[in-house]
Amino acid sequence: QVTLRESGPALVKPTETLRLTCTFSGFSLTNSGMCVSWVRQPPGKALEWLARIDWDDDKYYSTPLKTRLTISKDTSKNQVVLTMTNMDPVDTATYYCAREDTASVVFEHWGPGTLVTVSS
Amino acid sequence: HSALTQPPSASGSPGQSVTISCTGTSSDVGGYNYVSWYQQHPGKAPKILIYEVNKRPSGVPDRFSGSKSGNMASLTVSGLQAEDEADYYCSSYAGSNIVVFGGGTRLTVL
Repeated sequence: QVTLRESGPALVKPTETLRLTCTFSGFSLTNSGMCVSWVRQPPGKALEWLARIDWDDDKYYSTPLKTRLTISKDTSKNQVVLTMTNMDPVDTATYYCAREDTASVVFEHWGPGTLVTVSS
Repeated sequence: HSALTQPPSASGSPGQSVTISCTGTSSDVGGYNYVSWYQQHPGKAPKILIYEVNKRPSGVPDRFSGSKSGNMASLTVSGLQAEDEADYYCSSYAGSNIVVFGGGTRLTVL
């Protein structure tokens, strides 16, 4: 059974760096074809893909956000970490991690999400 | 990569069919058969309904179907049920390992 769960601060101040952790089970990021993505959703708004990391440590980022994002993995802990620098109130959103099937480009399994509010 | 265009709302009565469109460009929807559809109930994470334009994961009712013509993809929900009331999002591969989502459609069951 595949499960994912996001964790991190619920509140960050403008200009601070956000660090989110996705802890997963039911699969290994050492296996060929496995990858984990981050997707966010501002309150009442649409989904937005942010970043992806693959089993072979390849990394991909949303073009408008690539200068602010870093994705990494710790396979020994079954975790994927996303950092986003220079946080702004417009970054207030629920952040989801999801396992992606790159062969079909589909987000098969999602975590429940974590709401991050950016406010001073 | 711009977001895909979906109507903000759609509605239908129980038992009826409703179709939600998702319009992109030749660089995303029209260029690849990697369109997915997700259902999201309030306060919940999205759930996959359709992938690769028209494939259903196991467990998804066959009332949900997908199609594509040119730069537009569609999701049809047949035999509407009260529990189908939710937000629906399309997504598409857009090349260079980028995925774009649509703006979402709120489906109301009258």
